[in-house]
Amino acid sequence: GAVVSQHPSWVICKSGTSVKIECRSLDFQATTMFWYRQFPKQSLMLMATSNEGSKATYEQGVEKDKFLINHASLTLSTLTVTSAHPEDSSFYICSARDLGQGEVIAFFGQGTRLTVV
Amino acid sequence: GQNIDQPTEMTATEGAIVQINCTYQTSGFNGLFWYQQHAGEAPTFLSYNVLDGLEEKGRFSSFLSRSKGYSYLLLKELQMKDSASYLCAVLDSNYQLIWGAGTKLIIKP
Repeated sequence: GAVVSQHPSWVICKSGTSVKIECRSLDFQATTMFWYRQFPKQSLMLMATSNEGSKATYEQGVEKDKFLINHASLTLSTLTVTSAHPEDSSFYICSARDLGQGEVIAFFGQGTRLTVV
Repeated sequence: GQNIDQPTEMTATEGAIVQINCTYQTSGFNGLFWYQQHAGEAPTFLSYNVLDGLEEKGRFSSFLSRSKGYSYLLLKELQMKDSASYLCAVLDSNYQLIWGAGTKLIIKP
């Protein structure tokens, strides 16, 4: 089956620092990757959609200069939370699919729990 | 606008059957997904329906009626480990996933 690996699983950082989260598709080429944020007991919130080799498309209200997304290869996308603040503490989850092969199912990484202190 | 509705919370008894409904209004339709999400974990894929009818996969079945904009997820022989949130999502005409808020299923012994 399709496997998406996300690292790290959890991270604690100091306010003002930056954190990078990696999302890798292990056994398929992810033409599209999605980044979500989920606060406790709330639903998934799509932050941005990235297609390999092009700039990410951010959802309304998501600051692109704060949440930097890079999708430089077909198997790797990264999300960098810059100048993190306590309100950025959340569960960040990536998902990936290979629409180029007609695969519409998006598979999720394990998620990254970010705590900013 | 695009909208997906599903109940916020449901309670069922271990060993019983539960049906979680999902209704949708979206710009186009390229399929409907059900995902399971345990607390503190990422969602895992359960099913994908693009044609009308019932798809059975072990204890879980998913039904779709495109004309009614309606789907349900049926869970049989409930086990305690089935306690989780169940997310309904529709792929719209732009192949964007539109998510429901999820149904929290509580299983009681």
